[in-house]
Amino acid sequence: QVQLQESGPGLVKPSQTLSLTCTVSGGSISSGRYYWSWIRQHPGKGLEWIGYIYYNGSTYYNPSLKSRVAISVDTSKSHFSLELSSVTAADTAVFYCARGYTVVQYWYFDVWGRGTLVAVSS
Amino acid sequence: SSELTQDPAVSVALGQTVRITCQGDSLRNYYASWYQQKPGQAPILVIYGHNNRPSGIPDRFSGSSSGNTASLTISGAQAEDEADYYCHSRDSSGNHVVFGGGTQLTVL
Repeated sequence: QVQLQESGPGLVKPSQTLSLTCTVSGGSISSGRYYWSWIRQHPGKGLEWIGYIYYNGSTYYNPSLKSRVAISVDTSKSHFSLELSSVTAADTAVFYCARGYTVVQYWYFDVWGRGTLVAVSS
Repeated sequence: SSELTQDPAVSVALGQTVRITCQGDSLRNYYASWYQQKPGQAPILVIYGHNNRPSGIPDRFSGSSSGNTASLTISGAQAEDEADYYCHSRDSSGNHVVFGGGTQLTVL
């Protein structure tokens, strides 16, 4: 059974870069079937898709965050990572990693990490 | 703003049927998936594609679609179904994905 686990600092200073890693266990991150994704949730708010990466390194980002986001994958370590630059307090959120799957007419996230809260504060 | 629109809150009497809807232009071409999220927990997938339920999801959960509207129906709502529900699909461009704003379901 595939499991995902987020890790990284719980506190980041304004203007710095937020960096998180998602470790994939119980399955191969190199499977060509899945898109490895980051999603965040501001306190008391809804879900916001950040972006995803395919095992070959192809990336897709939310247009509203594209200028500040980078997602990378390290198949040898079975993890993928998120970097969000120039953070402000508005970036304080719970960050989830998730496994995405798509065929032509649908998309879904079938496995989620437990989430990690990242606060942006000086 | 989200390209997928959901009612912020819906309530249902215990044991009754409730429908949660999601509207968006992209739903004319793509199916929605649905997620249940309880406080302090990660979302879980409850419906995807054309009314498919992942293993372990009770059969009282079902999905449907018509035009630009996708629906999640809970037939015989239980107390444990009280949660936030989010729809999700591709956006209008087809290259990205988007979530609805979420619906808070209260079981009375």
